[in-house]
Amino acid sequence: GAVVSQHPSWVICKSGTSVKIECRSLDFQATTMFWYRQFPKQSLMLMATSNEGSKATYEQGVEKDKFLINHASLTLSTLTVTSAHPEDSSFYICSAQLERGYEQYFGPGTRLTVT
Amino acid sequence: GDSVTQMEGPVTLSEEAFLTINCTYTATGYPSLFWYVQYPGEGLQLLLKATKADDKGSNKGFEATYRKETTSFHLEKGSVQVSDSAVYFCAPGGSNYKLTFGKGTLLTVNP
Repeated sequence: GAVVSQHPSWVICKSGTSVKIECRSLDFQATTMFWYRQFPKQSLMLMATSNEGSKATYEQGVEKDKFLINHASLTLSTLTVTSAHPEDSSFYICSAQLERGYEQYFGPGTRLTVT
Repeated sequence: GDSVTQMEGPVTLSEEAFLTINCTYTATGYPSLFWYVQYPGEGLQLLLKATKADDKGSNKGFEATYRKETTSFHLEKGSVQVSDSAVYFCAPGGSNYKLTFGKGTLLTVNP
């Protein structure tokens, strides 16, 4: 149980275009989902916290107009990278919380390459 | 804010060797503490956790004890296997239910 999927697993896009990444909790309802960014050989950096039906809360330094997050249902959150640039290339990981508490279930991640 | 200092890798061991990965943290209050593992090509999985001082979390032969006096949560395993090869992350959970991750330690176990 407690499986989280991400789609796509890998995407290549051209500079200036937008790309959407989906995060789904497959067998549970997640009131809160988190989006992280992971650079090679580095830790996960929390980008934003997403609650179903409300606006996402972004961490300091994360551009909310560039990284659009929508948590439309209790099983789906999306991250849209708008006007992507090569420096946005990274590994994006989502996680979902079953209920208010600490334990998070992680998706397998999406590798974004912007050319 | 919360922070984590985790032993830098990579760590390379032979099968059946003893493993220690050090983790110390700074956090307000009394956080819960977690170790996550990321196997090659997979997402992070919760390995073990401890929610209060002196608690010992354990799973799959791994153990870690919540040491409040030293603000540490070191991960240990008495006899590693090739299948333990992965990246290990230490993460305290803050009062707002967010996790702060260490940089991760790559473990490679050779047969």
